[in-house]
Amino acid sequence: QKEVEQNSGPLSVPEGAIASLNCTYSDRGSQSFFWYRQYSGKSPELIMSIYSNGDKEDGRFTAQLNKASQYVSLLIRDSQPSDSATYLCAVKSASTGNQFYFGTGTSLTVIP
Amino acid sequence: DAMVIQNPRYQVTQFGKPVTLSCSQTLNHNVMYWYQQKSSQAPKLLFHYYDKDFNNEADTPDNFQSRRPNTSFCFLDIRSPGLGDAAMYLCATSRDLADYQPQHFGDGTRLSIL
Repeated sequence: QKEVEQNSGPLSVPEGAIASLNCTYSDRGSQSFFWYRQYSGKSPELIMSIYSNGDKEDGRFTAQLNKASQYVSLLIRDSQPSDSATYLCAVKSASTGNQFYFGTGTSLTVIP
Repeated sequence: DAMVIQNPRYQVTQFGKPVTLSCSQTLNHNVMYWYQQKSSQAPKLLFHYYDKDFNNEADTPDNFQSRRPNTSFCFLDIRSPGLGDAAMYLCATSRDLADYQPQHFGDGTRLSIL
């Protein structure tokens, strides 16, 4: 099993602050990286994907990838209470038939 | 709206009584996946179909089977559910196996075992 590690949290930030979520992965051949948001009792919802080193921005969300360090992160700017959820990092690698490997997720609470 | 639909949302069955969970998709995606997710854990891939080709994960118990009669539907059969099989079961699809393709999830079926 290829490992994807996330800090389980819980991570608490005040409303309006930046939330920073981190993920490391063990398979150096991994090529595609995804962040999913999962509300309690609900299914994962795709937020962002990133494939190249650097930053990718979409609204309040920024994904950052550093393949040399095997590290991917998600920044949430101007955090809102509705962002309170578990964030799952998922990694795909051609060496494993492009199957998804998920981290255990980081629980985020945004305090009003 | 194109989507992934799982039925039922909640399923209760008795210990050892076979149960079938269903998933349908209107995305016309080639790949369908079944995951098991227990509380505070990552989704665990059970198996996937690429078109009609079935791919079982090495550590998926024999108790779990799957059928994909056509592109739109996929079923998860649990032949003799044990207490340890109580979990959320997630169906997901992707257009194909290309590395850049994301997975799209249904709302899940929460299975309880009495």
